[in-house]
Formats: sequence, structure tokens, C-alpha cells
Amino acid sequence: EDQVTQSPEALRLQEGESSSLNCSYTVSGLRGLFWYRQDPGKGPEFLFTLYSAGEEKEKERLKATLTKKESFLHITAPKPEDSATYLCALLSGGYQKVTFGTGTKLQVIP
Amino acid sequence: DAMVIQNPRYQVTQFGKPVTLSCSQTLNHNVMYWYQQKSSQAPKLLFHYYDKDFNNEADTPDNFQSRRPNTSFCFLDIRSPGLGDAAMYLCATSNSRGTLRSYEQYFGPGTRLTVT
Repeated sequence: EDQVTQSPEALRLQEGESSSLNCSYTVSGLRGLFWYRQDPGKGPEFLFTLYSAGEEKEKERLKATLTKKESFLHITAPKPEDSATYLCALLSGGYQKVTFGTGTKLQVIP
Repeated sequence: DAMVIQNPRYQVTQFGKPVTLSCSQTLNHNVMYWYQQKSSQAPKLLFHYYDKDFNNEADTPDNFQSRRPNTSFCFLDIRSPGLGDAAMYLCATSNSRGTLRSYEQYFGPGTRLTVT
């Protein structure tokens, strides 16, 4: 069974303090790994897709990387508006099933 | 702007009273999903449609049904809501066809269901 584990569950950073969120996974036949941002009371917002080990993608202060066992979301010099829950999800198998992790709740303090 | 729309945003229903949540999309995506998300938990996939093909997760209760009358619309029916069904219900779409296929999901804003 596909499994996704995110750590830490919660992270509190000072504004400007860079850090990384981890998503480790076990899957048979990874077809894609996604990162989403979710604000309270809203639907997840798509950030990145990574398809193969070694791939990296960047958007503003965020950078996502992928290895064969885990993915990292690096946040450089975060701002308070980066506060949200960040979800990792896997696409696997022969059809369109996506498995989500429980997320990392990030709080950035001014 | 192309988007995923969910109505209503907030729904209050009584224990045992059937309720229907709706989702529409202007993205022309062929795959549509329904998720249930409870506080501080991961979204839990209930079912999805791959084109017209319906895929039900093994642990989705029989109390939950879905309809997709056309590409743009999808409905979630809860036949006899219990207190444990109170949650955020998220609709999402993805595109698995043609040269623009990308698989990432685009979510609606969700419907917050309260059961009294």
C-alpha cells in the first residue's frame, strides 16, 4: 500500500529563517509527486509536480526536490504570508488515485 | 478564469436528512474527484470519475453516492448523514488526456458540512 509521511507536523519559523519540510514515501510505481498549499477553510492550491528523482522546481521562495524515497520543500527567507499547511501527495498506479500526506503546518512569525 | 466551483460553501443538515453537494468546472478536465477532509487530517479520497468511469474507494461508506451527468458537473449525495460525516468536502479535477495532460489536481474552495 502506498504511504506518505510528512514531517514535522508543525513548524514555527521567524521571518527570514529558512527551513525544509520533508515528505517521505513508499510506493509501487511513482508517476508523480505533488506539493500543495492549503490555507484554513480553503481547498488545496497546487504548487509543484515532480516526476523523477533529481528533479527540482522553484517558485518564489519555495523550491521542491525529489529523491527515490523522499521529497523536500525548501523555504528560503519565509514571510508571514507563507504561513499555511503544506501537503504532499503521490500519484501512483494505473489510474488516477492520489494519496495525500497529513501535511506540515507552517507558521512564520514577523 | 477557469476554475472549480463548489456549492454551497456551507451546508447545515439534520441527522439522517439527505444532502447533495455540487461541483462544477470550467477547466474541461476529464477526471473529477471527491475528498472528505476533517480537521488537521489529510484529504481522504471518496471516489473519482475517469471520464465516465466511476471508481469507488474500498472504504467509502455506502451512505455516500456520486453522479456525474456530464463533463462539467459532479454531485456528492449523502443519503443519511451522521454526526461523523461533518467535514469539509473538496472537489478536484485533473487532466489526463492529450499533450496537455499533467495529472495535478485543481481544487474547489470546499463545502463545509455541519450535521445537527
